[in-house]
Amino acid sequence: QVQVQESGPGLVKTSETLSLTCTVSGGSIRSYYWSWIRQPPGKGLEWIGYIYYNGSTNYNPSLKSRVTISVDTSKNQFSLKLSSVTAADTAMYYCARNEAYCTTTSCSSWFDPWGQGTLVTVSS
Amino acid sequence: SYVLTQPPSVSVAPGQTARITCGGNNIARESVHWYGQKPGQAPILVVYDDSDRPSGIPERFSGSDSGNTATLTISRVEAGDEADYYCQVWDDSSDHPVFGGGTKLTVL
Repeated sequence: QVQVQESGPGLVKTSETLSLTCTVSGGSIRSYYWSWIRQPPGKGLEWIGYIYYNGSTNYNPSLKSRVTISVDTSKNQFSLKLSSVTAADTAMYYCARNEAYCTTTSCSSWFDPWGQGTLVTVSS
Repeated sequence: SYVLTQPPSVSVAPGQTARITCGGNNIARESVHWYGQKPGQAPILVVYDDSDRPSGIPERFSGSDSGNTATLTISRVEAGDEADYYCQVWDDSSDHPVFGGGTKLTVL
């Protein structure tokens, strides 16, 4: 059974770069899409972006200028970098696998499994 | 972009049926997925592709949709079902997922 686990610093200074890694275990990172999703305290879910195992990416337009997602298939890991962070970036950050398929008319994609999440606080 | 609207809260007594709605333009034409998130925990998938259940999710959880509304139905509600529930679709036009704002289910 595939599991994902986030890791990285829990505290980042304002204007610096947030860096997190997601490690995939129990299965291969290949042939799937993988996403980062965040949740500010007391608020809803916000998708940050996804990466395919071959390195192709797609980002939330609201964060696109500050986000980079990369993959290391040799380590079965993918990573998130978010630059120029502010207090508004304080959130629980989750990684998750995208299950996805497309028909001739539309695509469907959902997130399963999710990691347990890691809280990142941005403070000066 | 596509917008999903959920009621902020739903309350139900134990043993009764909870229905959590998710509104969206012609949502019946979309594949709708549902997640449950208990306090302090990560979300988990409870229904995918409108009405399919992942392994390990009780049959009490079911999904349906019609017109502009998708519904997550939880039968014979238990205290342990108390959680925030989120609906989600994939917006083909933007190639992005869209989440509803979430509904807090309270078991009275």
